[in-house]
Amino acid sequence: DTAVSQTPKYLVTQMGNDKSIKCEQNLGHDTMYWYKQDSKKFLKIMFSYNNKELIINETVPNRFSPKSPDKAHLNLHINSLELGDSAVYFCASSQAVGRAFFGQGTRLTVV
Amino acid sequence: QKEVEQNSGPLSVPEGAIASLNCTYSDRGSQSFFWYRQYSGKSPELIMSIYSNGDKEDGRFTAQLNKASQYVSLLIRDSQPSDSATYLCAVNTGGSQGNLIFGKGTKLSVKP
Repeated sequence: DTAVSQTPKYLVTQMGNDKSIKCEQNLGHDTMYWYKQDSKKFLKIMFSYNNKELIINETVPNRFSPKSPDKAHLNLHINSLELGDSAVYFCASSQAVGRAFFGQGTRLTVV
Repeated sequence: QKEVEQNSGPLSVPEGAIASLNCTYSDRGSQSFFWYRQYSGKSPELIMSIYSNGDKEDGRFTAQLNKASQYVSLLIRDSQPSDSATYLCAVNTGGSQGNLIFGKGTKLSVKP
């Protein structure tokens, strides 16, 4: 049974489109994250939610909007996609800072 | 700007050797430190954590922390080809709800 699952695994879309990535964790963790890993493999935090409340919101364009309907789910919606948004997006969860479990990643390609 | 620096490599070692991976961080207030391993095309997985100065050993892995020098390292003894991966150093800069900042990773290649 997958601990942190995100869908879809691959996403190819045209510039200007709006897309969503879904994430669910069954570990009972209080905190969930979205990370972006660019082509140079640099992993950077985007958002962090604790018990459905936003606690970290790094400097990302406001075209990116996270939503946490409950503490087991954290979705990421992206409006008006740009070429530079192409990356791998990882969802993660943790019960203690630093001890994160990552989903398998969503490879987003904007063409 | 809080930063975590790693040599991107690739670091190439022969099978059976000790691989030494290094990481420095800029925020002196950082409290906890982690090493993640990421195989190509896969997600990062936590392999070691360290919270106080000194060494922490877990099997073939040893994490070392020197807060005065703002330096963290990971030693892998008896390296195996299956250890070939990118190793990411991560630093918690902000306490219980802190921000985990990752280095860019060091790619390790273990040659049979």
